[in-house]
Amino acid sequence: GAGVSQSPRYKVTKRGQDVTLRCDPISSHATLYWYQQALGQGPEFLTYFNYEAQPDKSGLPSDRFSAERPEGSISTLTIQRTEQRDSAMYRCGAGATNTGELFFGEGSRLTVL
Amino acid sequence: QKEVEQDPGPLSVPEGAIVSLNCTYSNSAFQYFMWYRQYSRKGPELLMYTYSSGNKEDGRFTAQVDKSSKYISLFIRDSQPSDSATYLCAMRYGGNTPLVFGKGTRLSVIA
Repeated sequence: GAGVSQSPRYKVTKRGQDVTLRCDPISSHATLYWYQQALGQGPEFLTYFNYEAQPDKSGLPSDRFSAERPEGSISTLTIQRTEQRDSAMYRCGAGATNTGELFFGEGSRLTVL
Repeated sequence: QKEVEQDPGPLSVPEGAIVSLNCTYSNSAFQYFMWYRQYSRKGPELLMYTYSSGNKEDGRFTAQVDKSSKYISLFIRDSQPSDSATYLCAMRYGGNTPLVFGKGTRLSVIA
């Protein structure tokens, strides 16, 4: 949606493995957000970037979760030593700094067996 | 109590009905208010965006913000089966702050 591409769309992994999810805000929006959405719930904030700076990572549930946006465009979300409770849809949203609008990608569905 | 409360439904209405969806919130610092529509297995799609209080109309959709009551609404007139989706309210303090979402209300419009 609106120039945000996420990959992979689906990822199945075994407990204990590391996974990396990717977000490409095609229109190069300044702000980029990561959310986690469980089935039947609204998205929950994980972290966000303003270009390459990461002002807020208060939503990351544990130190197994980390995110990067080294050049202020593409971002990755890495989950180390995955656990079953990490199974969810991970959504990336991007927007301009001066407006409140966020546009979301299709998401990456992670299943941890 | 969550910052943003939204009745998850489900809500089922006949085609042509007026639909009213609502959210309440606890933090008066929220300034930007949004409604997203989410079809099954799709990402949230921005539907309406309002800054501060007031009404905004776009076709069959009207968004209302009442900051004094900490209450926002989305009205859908002449509802269509294609409006069947989950509607998420969302709000934020400023342009560079996280969006806080409600749980979403699942709406079904029956032909």
